[in-house]
Amino acid sequence: DTAVSQTPKYLVTQMGNDKSIKCEQNLGHDTMYWYKQDSKKFLKIMFSYNNKELIINETVPNRFSPKSPDKAHLNLHINSLELGDSAVYFCASSDRRVTEAFFGQGTRLTVV
Amino acid sequence: AQRVTQPEKLLSVFKGAPVELKCNYSYSGSPELFWYVQYSRQRLQLLLRHISRESIKGFTADLNKGETSFHLKKPFAQEEDSAMYYCALRGSQGNLIFGKGTKLSVKP
Repeated sequence: DTAVSQTPKYLVTQMGNDKSIKCEQNLGHDTMYWYKQDSKKFLKIMFSYNNKELIINETVPNRFSPKSPDKAHLNLHINSLELGDSAVYFCASSDRRVTEAFFGQGTRLTVV
Repeated sequence: AQRVTQPEKLLSVFKGAPVELKCNYSYSGSPELFWYVQYSRQRLQLLLRHISRESIKGFTADLNKGETSFHLKKPFAQEEDSAMYYCALRGSQGNLIFGKGTKLSVKP
């Protein structure tokens, strides 16, 4: 019954590797997001998708690419991982009729 | 500019003491504001939103447009309230803009 689910929960990988984090929501929401929470617990928006259209792209390196195969999924692909990419990544979804966002449990990425 | 400011990184109180977590915002137009809570190593959960004017787990927050504030209050803190609290503003593009968070520590 999980509303927003992310996999994996933990990801440890070496510098230079390419990895993906998956996110799925079963709430029927029309917008999905990726947020990054750094070591200081700051939360920053990375991307959002609305009806398969990217509507926000903050100053995120182009090594990060969101991919949305359908309205219920927004995956995050990261190329050439760097040490500074280590963080917790949260997926979220919302609907224009319901203003708050619902979050996944987070993916703790550690780049070594 | 659309911005949320939480001036306190850490707030430490004793059990039973009143708590106020400060939040100020910058937004042109009518804001939509939220408080989210994150317990240790868990997902962010919505605590409350200003439009519903509800009280959750004893917490309340009132939107003060004159002071551009949305402070979170609880009259008697409990140990289980210890968590990270984030104030958030719904931006003009629909995404949530978060403050830097306040870590609340309630001591026995």
